[in-house]
Amino acid sequence: GESVGLHLPTLSVQEGDNSIINCAYSNSASDYFIWYKQESGKGPQFIIDIRSNMDKRQGQRVTVLLNKTVKHLSLQIAATQPGDSAVYFCAENEDSSNTGKLIFGQGTTLQVKP
Amino acid sequence: EPEVTQTPSHQVTQMGQEVILRCVPISNHLYFYWYRQILGQKVEFLVSFYNNEISEKSEIFDDQFSVERPDGSNFTLKIRSTKLEDSAMYFCASSGRQPGNSPLHFGNGTRLTVT
Repeated sequence: GESVGLHLPTLSVQEGDNSIINCAYSNSASDYFIWYKQESGKGPQFIIDIRSNMDKRQGQRVTVLLNKTVKHLSLQIAATQPGDSAVYFCAENEDSSNTGKLIFGQGTTLQVKP
Repeated sequence: EPEVTQTPSHQVTQMGQEVILRCVPISNHLYFYWYRQILGQKVEFLVSFYNNEISEKSEIFDDQFSVERPDGSNFTLKIRSTKLEDSAMYFCASSGRQPGNSPLHFGNGTRLTVT
């Protein structure tokens, strides 16, 4: 169902610090998760994804952690830069859905202070 | 890098009018989607499309909505008789592999304003 959510609507960090954005989901049938970044006036931009058979995945400066036990997903951004300022959405794909339908969370606004 | 393109970027229409929002998905992608985002809210699924037919639609996607892939490159969303509450950003997306295994790539959206 419409179950994907985020713990904090706004996160403010100092440039150079690490950022952690959290997401909770309630559908245990979800097997694929994606983090998107949305800048003002633009569409969601893919950051990183993870399947349910993994608990961690790393990209360039980003790491996604998945805890299926507590249905929790997080996005870690290392050495946050002003260009990282945006709204971040987690999205889930239910295992039962073969259509690619994603359920998006409410979004967390990341503000990077110089 | 290939991208999903949408036109127009902004569409203003009067209530009751028909609108067609256009999208050119990434060229080798096979799965197509429309989502919408009301200002300040989360992104909501409307419809998925594969092999020239709708594979899933949400309850938002009622009889006023339709999608079409008229040729090998375009993917359109039509709203037959717009309502004020249809005002939103409409995003087209596509993916190249089987759903649940690859991310959706989104365009920059069409802002629809119904007056």
